Amino acid sequence: GAVVSQHPSRVICKSGTSVKIECRSLDFQATTMFWYRQFPKQSLMLMATSNEGSKATYEQGVEKDKFLINHASLTLSTLTVTSAHPEDSSFYICSAPPGGAGDEQFFGPGTRLTVL
Amino acid sequence: AQSVTQPDIHITVSEGASLELRCNYSYGATPYLFWYVQSPGQGLQLLLKYFSGDTLVQGIKGFEAEFKRSQSSFNLRKPSVHWSDAAEYFCAVGAGYSTLTFGKGTMLLVSP
Repeated sequence: GAVVSQHPSRVICKSGTSVKIECRSLDFQATTMFWYRQFPKQSLMLMATSNEGSKATYEQGVEKDKFLINHASLTLSTLTVTSAHPEDSSFYICSAPPGGAGDEQFFGPGTRLTVL
Repeated sequence: AQSVTQPDIHITVSEGASLELRCNYSYGATPYLFWYVQSPGQGLQLLLKYFSGDTLVQGIKGFEAEFKRSQSSFNLRKPSVHWSDAAEYFCAVGAGYSTLTFGKGTMLLVSP
């Protein structure tokens, strides 16, 4: 199956700083990538859809100025959590469908963000 | 609105015993149903899916699931659990692959 990686796997930062999380499709090109957030004991919640060469589409209730998404190439999407606060601490997961937005999603291993 | 309920937060099963993980969904049309498994350090992996046709679907690693429309359920089963099956399992529903709503997950523990 297709492989999606994320970097870093875990990050700890101070409140008020910004953190960048990378999502890469290693063996395929992805015009679309998805970003999810998973709080402890909760389900994965879709945050946004990242589109190569255009603006991301955010789900209702997700602040686009706080969670900046850049999909600059067909193999890389980045999520930047700006001015992070403790309530942003969560597990962030990306996925990519090799065949386009309607195709099976392949998930990255996730990034654990802890904001102190 | 679509939703998924996984009533069991965690389940412990003896190695070699059978397994059933429960999933109930709410969806306004014919659902697309999925089961994913997440192991530590690994991304979610698709175990199986139901789109249409035979309501008993076979997946990877010896898993199967049965779609029961009358009960709005899509329970995951395996006849004999292996220690390597210990992981977290997520049920999901959607209109296709991209618009997924996930359950909260069930953590499977396998005892010797």
